[in-house]
Amino acid sequence: SQTIHQWPATLVQPVGSPLSLECTVEGTSNPNLYWYRQAAGRGLQLLFYSVGIGQISSEVPQNLSASRPQDRQFILSSKKLLLSDSGFYLCAWSGDYSNQPQHFGDGTRLSIL
Amino acid sequence: QKEVEQNSGPLSVPEGAIASLNCTYSDRGSQSFFWYRQYSGKSPELIMFIYSNGDKEDGRFTAQLNKASQYVSLLIRDSQPSDSATYLCAVRDPNTNAGKSTFGDGTTLTVKP
Repeated sequence: SQTIHQWPATLVQPVGSPLSLECTVEGTSNPNLYWYRQAAGRGLQLLFYSVGIGQISSEVPQNLSASRPQDRQFILSSKKLLLSDSGFYLCAWSGDYSNQPQHFGDGTRLSIL
Repeated sequence: QKEVEQNSGPLSVPEGAIASLNCTYSDRGSQSFFWYRQYSGKSPELIMFIYSNGDKEDGRFTAQLNKASQYVSLLIRDSQPSDSATYLCAVRDPNTNAGKSTFGDGTTLTVKP
């Protein structure tokens, strides 16, 4: 069966520090991968998605970036965090055919001080 | 107008009652619809998906789809306190093979013992 791992679960970072969040998927190949952010009490905002290695699409311009160095690895990064980057970051995957749902990792709660 | 709209709630029902959660979407070409449950502080969990007009039942959950009215709903029969959560409606983007979905902001359900 497929599983998705996301870490760390909680992160507290100072303003201006760098960020790296990692997500890996097991039990499937060539998944579609997604990064979302969820502000407190709000819906999911799609940040990036990827349909293959090295293929990244950005949904919202901001100081975050994403990379997919391997088929089942997705990384969210920032060179300098802003206060507004606080939130609940979720990685998700779906199969690469048309009607497959997305499945989420456990998320990373990021607080910027 | 948002692409996927849900009643924000909160929705409160007594234990044992039927909870009805509603979702409307704007893209008439949409074909795939998903319901997720999100407990406070946790990541979304897929509970139902529906692709065809009509009803789909899974245990105490029934998803209903009416493509002509661009309406999808989730019924929870015999509601339990453990059903208290935020329910997210997601609609797959029919215009891309990347598996992108648009999520509603969610309806918060409280089941009172």
